[in-house]
Amino acid sequence: AQSVTQLGSHVSVSEGALVLLRCNYSSSVPPYLFWYVQYPNQGLQLLLKYTSAATLVKGINDFEAEFKKSETSFHLTKPSAHMSDAAEYFCAVKWGGSQGNLIFGKGTKLSVKP
Amino acid sequence: DADVTQTPRNRITKTGKRIMLECSQTKGHDRMYWYRQDPGLGLRLIYYSFDVKDINKGEISDGYSVSRQAQAKFSLSLESAIPNQTALYFCATSDLRTSGTDTQYFGPGTRLTVL
Repeated sequence: AQSVTQLGSHVSVSEGALVLLRCNYSSSVPPYLFWYVQYPNQGLQLLLKYTSAATLVKGINDFEAEFKKSETSFHLTKPSAHMSDAAEYFCAVKWGGSQGNLIFGKGTKLSVKP
Repeated sequence: DADVTQTPRNRITKTGKRIMLECSQTKGHDRMYWYRQDPGLGLRLIYYSFDVKDINKGEISDGYSVSRQAQAKFSLSLESAIPNQTALYFCATSDLRTSGTDTQYFGPGTRLTVL
């Protein structure tokens, strides 16, 4: 079965430091890739998505992610963490074209220390 | 106003009770989904509907049923609630016609506790 793996259920960074959240997926068949963010007591908000137009995708709040087919990865980065970035981040992958469903990783909770 | 709304936002119920969670959307999307979120497990798909006449089981449909009353409304029912159905439930919508990637947009969630 296809799967999505997020390395690290918890990541802690200092304010101003680089944020790197890792996501790997199981199949080399090109999928659609998404990152969502969930702030405390809220729903999921789309951060960015890969649609095969460009391998480096820019999203909201200065987040970006790079699709690396050879590594089956779609890691999320932000150059400088802000306290407001503290949230849970979910990587999601869609295979199977229009009939496929979204498969979510288990999530990574990001903490930002002052 | 929010594009995807869920009611109730919080619900406490007892084992064996029937409960319905409702989802409404004003996005005009044809596809709707129900997920549950458990700590450390991410989101898992319960049911999905690609249009009013199309209902499909997801990964974890046992113990749940759904109804697509209209394009804009998709309800999730627990016929006889049990404690391990305590979770955060999300509704989502998408539309292949406007988004080639079928991007899903989520409601605010319903926190359900079964005692």
